[in-house]
Amino acid sequence: GAGVSQSPSNKVTEKGKDVELRCDPISGHTALYWYRQSLGQGLEFLIYFQGNSAPDKSGLPSDRFSAERTGGSVSTLTIQRTQQEDSAVYLCASSLVNGVLPIGPQHFGDGTRLSIL
Amino acid sequence: RKEVEQDPGPFNVPEGATVAFNCTYSNSASQSFFWYRQDCRKEPKLLMSVYSSGNEDGRFTAQLNRASQYISLLIRDSKLSDSATYLCVVPHQEGPSGTYKYIFGTGTRLKVLA
Repeated sequence: GAGVSQSPSNKVTEKGKDVELRCDPISGHTALYWYRQSLGQGLEFLIYFQGNSAPDKSGLPSDRFSAERTGGSVSTLTIQRTQQEDSAVYLCASSLVNGVLPIGPQHFGDGTRLSIL
Repeated sequence: RKEVEQDPGPFNVPEGATVAFNCTYSNSASQSFFWYRQDCRKEPKLLMSVYSSGNEDGRFTAQLNRASQYISLLIRDSKLSDSATYLCVVPHQEGPSGTYKYIFGTGTRLKVLA
């Protein structure tokens, strides 16, 4: 498809399990962002990838969270030993880059709704 | 001062009304601005981009006031389907070699009433 694709759409898992969320950005977009949004709250920045640069991980809430982006395209966000407070919608966005800076708007995927029981 | 600030609302307006939201930003060097619409439990969807003084798309008009550092979104002839949260987004680079982030406002809730 032409848009940002995320999978799974929904994930329900037990506390303590690991989960892996996937994001496939728009073709040609080298800037990729992960956010999470709890119910009724704003977007919380998690991590940013831009080309081959070191990712900005400043938004990751704990060391249980990690993300990688192999081949400069698809990204996976992994949450280890999930906790109930990890329940949220995890959104991925991508944008074009001009040189080293993103340009234009971000385009969002549909998100993954994660529920920790 | 917050980097991007919006009135959370809600703004309750009757169908057909004109409504305007403001968004203030702190970084005077910002060059581009975006309005997104977010429906309940959905992802943000781009509504308008603003790169100069303003932009217009049908019933929607965005205006930029650089001197006062705010952008506005005007919706004319409101429809029930316009009910949503409207997010103001301002890109921001932290220092000359810092990360480029999109800073989101908390959003303004609009309810259009029949």
